[in-house]
Amino acid sequence: AQTVTQSQPEMSVQEAETVTLSCTYDTSENNYYLFWYKQPPSRQMILVIRQEAYKQQNATENRFSVNFQKAAKSFSLKISDSQLGDTAMYFCAFMFSGGSNYKLTFGKGTLLTVNP
Amino acid sequence: KAGVTQTPRYLIKTRGQQVTLSCSPISGHRSVSWYQQTPGQGLQFLFEYFSETQRNKGNFPGRFSGRQFSNSRSEMNVSTLELGDSALYLCASSPGGISTLYGYTFGSGTRLTVV
Repeated sequence: AQTVTQSQPEMSVQEAETVTLSCTYDTSENNYYLFWYKQPPSRQMILVIRQEAYKQQNATENRFSVNFQKAAKSFSLKISDSQLGDTAMYFCAFMFSGGSNYKLTFGKGTLLTVNP
Repeated sequence: KAGVTQTPRYLIKTRGQQVTLSCSPISGHRSVSWYQQTPGQGLQFLFEYFSETQRNKGNFPGRFSGRQFSNSRSEMNVSTLELGDSALYLCASSPGGISTLYGYTFGSGTRLTVV
């Protein structure tokens, strides 16, 4: 079974600064995808970024980038130029891609507050 | 393109009752998954349906069940409600198959309170 650990329950950052959220995971599988989802007070989970485990290059989406260290089973999210709208719960998630039954295993989340 | 629609948004039920939650996926999406979110347990996978068939099931008691209709809309049912069933229930949809690896699209959830 896979487990996902987010060791920072809460973090805060000043607007326009950079913040990094940590995530580690444990799996014996070799084929998988990793995701970061954002959940604002509206409750809807929004996909921020995804990373294929077979790709060494770190994924980037505008102000969001990841640092994927496969050997260390680490998948951190960096948010640059933080904006007030980035305030939300952030969840790291794992999905095994070797079969056809896809499900997400989530970490407990990190509450990020962006201060003006 | 309409997103994933979950109804109702809020629900209050009494212990022992049963409840049915509804999820309409994005048009064209054939896979629907359900997740339970609680402060203590976090987000936990309930089950996944694809083309009206349950393909995957999480570790929940038999009181939790679901189904999917031919138009891909899905319902989940919880019978004999317990206080611990109070949670946010999230529905997620994807086209199905390998496209799922691009990520699920979630709805805004149904907040169930059992009193």
